[in-house]
Amino acid sequence: DSGVTQTPKHLITATGQRVTLRCSPRSGDLSVYWYQQSLDQGLQFLIQYYNGEERAKGNILERFSAQQFPDLHSELNLSSLELGDSALYFCASSGGAGSTDTQYFGPGTRLTVL
Amino acid sequence: AQTVTQSQPEMSVQEAETVTLSCTYDTSENNYYLFWYKQPPSRQMILVIRQEAYKQQNATENRFSVNFQKAAKSFSLKISDSQLGDTAMYFCAFMRIYNNNDMRFGAGTRLTVKP
Repeated sequence: DSGVTQTPKHLITATGQRVTLRCSPRSGDLSVYWYQQSLDQGLQFLIQYYNGEERAKGNILERFSAQQFPDLHSELNLSSLELGDSALYFCASSGGAGSTDTQYFGPGTRLTVL
Repeated sequence: AQTVTQSQPEMSVQEAETVTLSCTYDTSENNYYLFWYKQPPSRQMILVIRQEAYKQQNATENRFSVNFQKAAKSFSLKISDSQLGDTAMYFCAFMRIYNNNDMRFGAGTRLTVKP
């Protein structure tokens, strides 16, 4: 158990809908990262937050957004969902913003868009 | 941009044998970190081992060790005394030290340990 929690474990929804994925980092970790793992794109970095502030952006679509709250949990919002958004979404956490700490991954949320 | 290449999509090994997974990367940075993550059928991403680029000594964690060749930009993972529980996808990952700390992953190697 990495100490990172993600909810829900599975999510099935229809095209055009909006969903919210939730992540709680390990106790004491200030940085949260979101990754998408799809069959054709592999593991891709989406976005990083550090202590409530956006720190880095990767291949995140404009239909996707995220935030980190004062209690350090983070939410990833996916809207106007398309079939191609079906993937496993991971959250990872580490100690600091520019930190060299290892990232520990949550169990992931499997999103299926029908 | 940093890229990570794993040239072996699938590998298999007999239980108790040794296997080596390959990884190469491309970067202009001098200081960085490299990781191997394991993803078993449960899909959980589990850290296997980490290597700091400034360290010449290869990292080891029990049955897992790496061969880090900085000049060649090569970072292979050796699994000794393979166990059935080692069956998983293995991902090599690169992380910059400064600024963006997102990890860049290779495409993965699917390892099957046969009884």
